[in-house]
Amino acid sequence: AQSVAQPEDQVNVAEGNPLTVKCTYSVSGNPYLFWYVQYPNRGLQFLLKYITGDNLVKGSYGFEAEFNKSQTSFHLKKPSALVSDSALYFCAVRDKRGAGNMLTFGGGTRLMVKP
Amino acid sequence: GAGVSQSPSNKVTEKGKDVELRCDPISGHTALYWYRQSLGQGLEFLIYFQGNSAPDKSGLPSDRFSAERTGGSVSTLTIQRTQQEDSAVYLCASSLRTGEMNEQYFGPGTRLTVT
Repeated sequence: AQSVAQPEDQVNVAEGNPLTVKCTYSVSGNPYLFWYVQYPNRGLQFLLKYITGDNLVKGSYGFEAEFNKSQTSFHLKKPSALVSDSALYFCAVRDKRGAGNMLTFGGGTRLMVKP
Repeated sequence: GAGVSQSPSNKVTEKGKDVELRCDPISGHTALYWYRQSLGQGLEFLIYFQGNSAPDKSGLPSDRFSAERTGGSVSTLTIQRTQQEDSAVYLCASSLRTGEMNEQYFGPGTRLTVT
């Protein structure tokens, strides 16, 4: 079965500092990985995805993620955090059941950026 | 509208009552997904539609849950004889097709509270 793990329930970072939100995956075959962000009382917003190609994927709002096959990781990064980045972040992997390409999500990591 | 819309945004119901949740996908998106977000279970897949067809219903938690989609557009998720454990945020997402290249766009969710 496909799965992703987000080992940190919460990450605290000061504004202006770099941030990393960790994600590791377990899949058979090639992984298709996604990051989503959820602001309070809002739905999930797509940030970026890795399908194939360059290991460094650039996404929305200045976020990027690095795919590392040997470490089975897909950590989300941003060089300089903003207070407005404070939200709940979800890593997800494409579930290969059938042809639906539904997503299997990690447990989420709450990012707190303090001024 | 431009995004996925869901109604109602909030629903409080008594245990044992039936509820219907509605999802209006992005125009032209053929794939539609239902997920549930709860404190205990995180984000879990329920069911997806390709057009009006639901090839995989294995994610539905019990036979009290059903879903339909008509005209390749609006979908309704019905929960019969609601139980307290059904309390959660129900999220709908749509994508152009079910292919892995297509990211899913999420609606704001329906918060269901069963008293």
